[in-house]
Amino acid sequence: AQSVTQPDIHITVSEGASLELRCNYSYGATPYLFWYVQSPGQGLQLLLKYFSGDTLVQGIKGFEAEFKRSQSSFNLRKPSVHWSDAAEYFCAVGGGSYIPTFGRGTSLIVHP
Amino acid sequence: DAGVTQSPTHLIKTRGQQVTLRCSPKSGHDTVSWYQQALGQGPQFIFQYYEEEERQRGNFPDRFSGHQFPNYSSELNVNALLLGDSALYLCASSRWDSNYGYTFGSGTRLTVV
Repeated sequence: AQSVTQPDIHITVSEGASLELRCNYSYGATPYLFWYVQSPGQGLQLLLKYFSGDTLVQGIKGFEAEFKRSQSSFNLRKPSVHWSDAAEYFCAVGGGSYIPTFGRGTSLIVHP
Repeated sequence: DAGVTQSPTHLIKTRGQQVTLRCSPKSGHDTVSWYQQALGQGPQFIFQYYEEEERQRGNFPDRFSGHQFPNYSSELNVNALLLGDSALYLCASSRWDSNYGYTFGSGTRLTVV
């Protein structure tokens, strides 16, 4: 069975600082990996996805993620965080059925 | 181009009642998936509909059922509501033949009292 672990429930950063959100997955074959963002009271918006090819994936809003097969990780990064990035971030893993399994999320808090 | 539309946005029901939630997919999408998101948790897959048939189902009891209409819109029905059914219910649409990921609606917040 596929699963996702997001070890950090909350992350606090200062505006302008760099950000890395951790994601570890479990899947028996080559996974499809996703990062979604959810603002309060809203649905989920896709930030980026990895299916194959280059292991460094660029997404929207200046986010990127790196797939590391040896570590079963797909960490999300941003070089400089803006106050508007405060939200809940979800990592998800999917397989051939394309139905993603989500982690429990990491809440990002941005201090001015 | 309208995205995924869900109705209603909020709903309060009493334990034991039945509820129906509705979803209109994004234009060009033919597949609808439903997720339950409890407070502080990630979304949990309920089921997926394509060509008016349930194609895959997550670990949810039979009290949760659904339907897809010829125009690709979908309904989620929950019978005999429990307090634990209180959650945000998310609808996501996609194309069956594509792996470009889901488009999510803003959800229906269901509160069972």
